[in-house]
Amino acid sequence: AQSVSQHNHHVILSEAASLELGCNYSYGGTVNLFWYVQYPGQHLQLLLKYFSGDPLVKGIKGFEAEFIKSKFSFNLRKPSVQWSDTAEYFCALKEGGNTGKLIFGQGTTLQVKP
Amino acid sequence: DAGITQSPRYKITETGRQVTLMCHQTWSHSYMFWYRQDLGHGLRLIYYSAAADITDKGEVPDGYVVSRSKTENFPLTLESATRSQTSVYFCASSESDRGLYEQYFGPGTRLTVT
Repeated sequence: AQSVSQHNHHVILSEAASLELGCNYSYGGTVNLFWYVQYPGQHLQLLLKYFSGDPLVKGIKGFEAEFIKSKFSFNLRKPSVQWSDTAEYFCALKEGGNTGKLIFGQGTTLQVKP
Repeated sequence: DAGITQSPRYKITETGRQVTLMCHQTWSHSYMFWYRQDLGHGLRLIYYSAAADITDKGEVPDGYVVSRSKTENFPLTLESATRSQTSVYFCASSESDRGLYEQYFGPGTRLTVT
């Protein structure tokens, strides 16, 4: 069965620190992967997505993610976080077939201290 | 461009009452989804729809009913609300065009069942 695992449940960083959030997936087919962000009290917004091609994907607000097929990973990175990056981050994998469904990880709460 | 809207944004209801949460999207996306978000459980899929008049159960469908008579609307009904259905409910939509399945989320409805 397909699954997504986010190992870091709660991350606390100081401003200007570098960020890397882990995401591992389980699926043997062609993958479509996403990172979403949910700011406090708001809905989920798409940060970036991977479908094919360059495994290094750049998204909004300075975020990027690297797809490493051999490691079944799609980690999210940002070289220097800001207080405004405090949010919950979700990794998601498109379910195989044409259901349109996404399989979400449990989420990682990022707290950035000013 | 209104995108995807949900109403009401906040709702307090009593145990046993029927309540309907509305979701409307202006993009004519084929797919629509209902999720609930609870602390410690991440996002859980309740129901989804691949097109008008086509709906299917997600991970936690018990106690909920959906319909989709028009592409743009996807109401979620709690037939007899229970306290365990107190949650934040998110509607989302996506399109399968070009194999893209990124989901766009509505602002959410915070439902409290007393």
